[in-house]
Amino acid sequence: GAGVSQSPSNKVTEKGKDVELRCDPISGHTALYWYRQSLGQGLEFLIYFQGNSAPDKSGLPSDRFSAERTGGSVSTLTIQRTQQEDSAVYLCASSYNRGVRETQYFGPGTRLLVL
Amino acid sequence: GNSVTQMEGPVTLSEEAFLTINCTYTATGYPSLFWYVQYPGEGLQLLLKATKADDKGSNKGFEATYRKETTSFHLEKGSVQVSDSAVYFCALMGISNTGKLIFGQGTTLQVKP
Repeated sequence: GAGVSQSPSNKVTEKGKDVELRCDPISGHTALYWYRQSLGQGLEFLIYFQGNSAPDKSGLPSDRFSAERTGGSVSTLTIQRTQQEDSAVYLCASSYNRGVRETQYFGPGTRLLVL
Repeated sequence: GNSVTQMEGPVTLSEEAFLTINCTYTATGYPSLFWYVQYPGEGLQLLLKATKADDKGSNKGFEATYRKETTSFHLEKGSVQVSDSAVYFCALMGISNTGKLIFGQGTTLQVKP
């Protein structure tokens, strides 16, 4: 079946602009995660959704970052007033449910470059 | 807080050599431990996992044993192939069990023919 998809695959933007990154999880997966992969910080957790709720937003680096999930499916990560340090690969993952017994399936990522 | 430390790369080996990538962790209680792999041009994939002390995870010839006494989860393979060239990430999931993964910095493995 289809895996996790993300769009766009690449995004170049100017400092100060807003960007939206989209994640389509595997159908039927209730848990959805956003991570960020950057040279300086490695792979870091951003936010976790269970259904449409976000019980853990602890990894969002600032209030410029927000995310939502609608219909228990698609999720959008929004970065307002982008800064150069936001440049990274943003990864989305989904799993059937939360917890250690569930495998997280990762999407290909969105590569964001802020000029 | 929880954290994972893994050996810096790149690690360069000849085909059929023995591989060890070290991983140690700091966590409260008994976390679950994972190895993920990222092949060139592909997304992250789960390679293996262990959910309790002394468990051994294995897949595709790779193995790792959850050692509580040394807080380690070292990845090993007896004979690497060129196709094993990738970036390997050690990760833990804390006892809160939300599914949030804490990753190490990643280790690049290059296998030469």
